[in-house]
Amino acid sequence: AQKVTQAQTEISVVEKEDVTLDCVYETRDTTYYLFWYKQPPSGELVFLIRRNSFDEQNEISGRYSWNFQKSTSSFNFTITASQVVDSAVYFCALASGTYKYIFGTGTRLKVLA
Amino acid sequence: DAGVIQSPRHEVTEMGQEVTLRCKPISGHNSLFWYRQTMMRGLELLIYFNNNVPIDDSGMPEDRFSAKMPNASFSTLKIQPSEPRDSAVYFCASSFVGKPSTDTQYFGPGTRLTVL
Repeated sequence: AQKVTQAQTEISVVEKEDVTLDCVYETRDTTYYLFWYKQPPSGELVFLIRRNSFDEQNEISGRYSWNFQKSTSSFNFTITASQVVDSAVYFCALASGTYKYIFGTGTRLKVLA
Repeated sequence: DAGVIQSPRHEVTEMGQEVTLRCKPISGHNSLFWYRQTMMRGLELLIYFNNNVPIDDSGMPEDRFSAKMPNASFSTLKIQPSEPRDSAVYFCASSFVGKPSTDTQYFGPGTRLTVL
């Protein structure tokens, strides 16, 4: 069975702090894809990143970075120097072979001014 | 480029009424997905279309729900009759071919449905 676990239900940080959102996945497939989406208070789901199982290189995009570790089945997301605009619910998702995405339950991030 | 467009953004209706949600996928995308998001169940895939044909409707809750895709640029999700437990945010998403090996699902802004 495939599963995505986001154990952190809610995280609160003060602006400019760094924060890491955890994502642990389960799959028996050797080829799979991992995603992060952001859902701001306005409600839309915004695509952030896509990573395939053969590419374990970490990725950095501005203040955002992602750490993919197959050994621990984790795909964690770090925001450096957080800002109030980063406040949102963040979802991790897993897909392998088919069109179906398995979403985690999301982590609500609150960045306080 | 325009993203996925959904209408209406908010819908409030009374139990028993028919509700129609609309979606325009990103131009050139051949796959379309309808999702439902609730606090209790998270994001659930309701139905998946590829080239306007329904491929997987196993997530459709019951016969009160139906979805159509008459052409490549338009899809509807209909609930008839609606019930309070249908209250949720309904998302439409699209991708090029529906395979995670080649593309990504992009989501619309969602329709927040409230059934009184």
